[in-house]
Amino acid sequence: AQSVTQLGSHVSVSEGALVLLRCNYSSSVPPYLFWYVQYPNQGLQLLLKYTSAATLVKGINGFEAEFKKSETSFHLTKPSAHMSDAAEYFCAVSPGGYQKVTFGTGTKLQVIP
Amino acid sequence: DTEVTQTPKHLVMGMTNKKSLKCEQHMGHRAMYWYKQKAKKPPELMFVYSYEKLSINESVPSRFSPECPNSSLLNLHLHALQPEDSALYLCASSQDGGAGDTQYFGPGTRLTVL
Repeated sequence: AQSVTQLGSHVSVSEGALVLLRCNYSSSVPPYLFWYVQYPNQGLQLLLKYTSAATLVKGINGFEAEFKKSETSFHLTKPSAHMSDAAEYFCAVSPGGYQKVTFGTGTKLQVIP
Repeated sequence: DTEVTQTPKHLVMGMTNKKSLKCEQHMGHRAMYWYKQKAKKPPELMFVYSYEKLSINESVPSRFSPECPNSSLLNLHLHALQPEDSALYLCASSQDGGAGDTQYFGPGTRLTVL
């Protein structure tokens, strides 16, 4: 069985501050891990994906995430928050093969001017 | 073209109506998905088509009926829905549904059942 846990349903940061969104996963096999962003009334957009090629994954819009097997974590970071980063962020896990992707419950990021 | 399109954007229907949601992609993807998303919740998988064949049905009620006429199109036929079926319905596609496949999502159809 696979699962992801996102710590903090709401995170507030000041504009220009570090963004840190937490994700811990559980998977019986080496997983594929994803971060998606969803703006209001829109679909999900892929930010980045971990496929075991490198533990530090760089994504779009200045986001990156580090895979830490020992901590079963895949936290999302961005050095400096922009107002346009305000959105809902979903961490997701797939064990690979023809199996479904499991989404976390989401973290709503608020950026304060 | 990395776009998944969905029509209509908004749909209001009564409980006795029959309507359809449409999804289209031209990325050559062979796996397509329907998700249901309630407010402030993650997407919930409903159906997966792989190579135009239904491969996953997540025990969805029969009032939702998927159809994949060809590799580019995915429909969701709706009949006798309930108010609790009101949600954002998202379509996604991926290369072939295999290991590590990235799913590309459409903008969704906002469905309201009266």
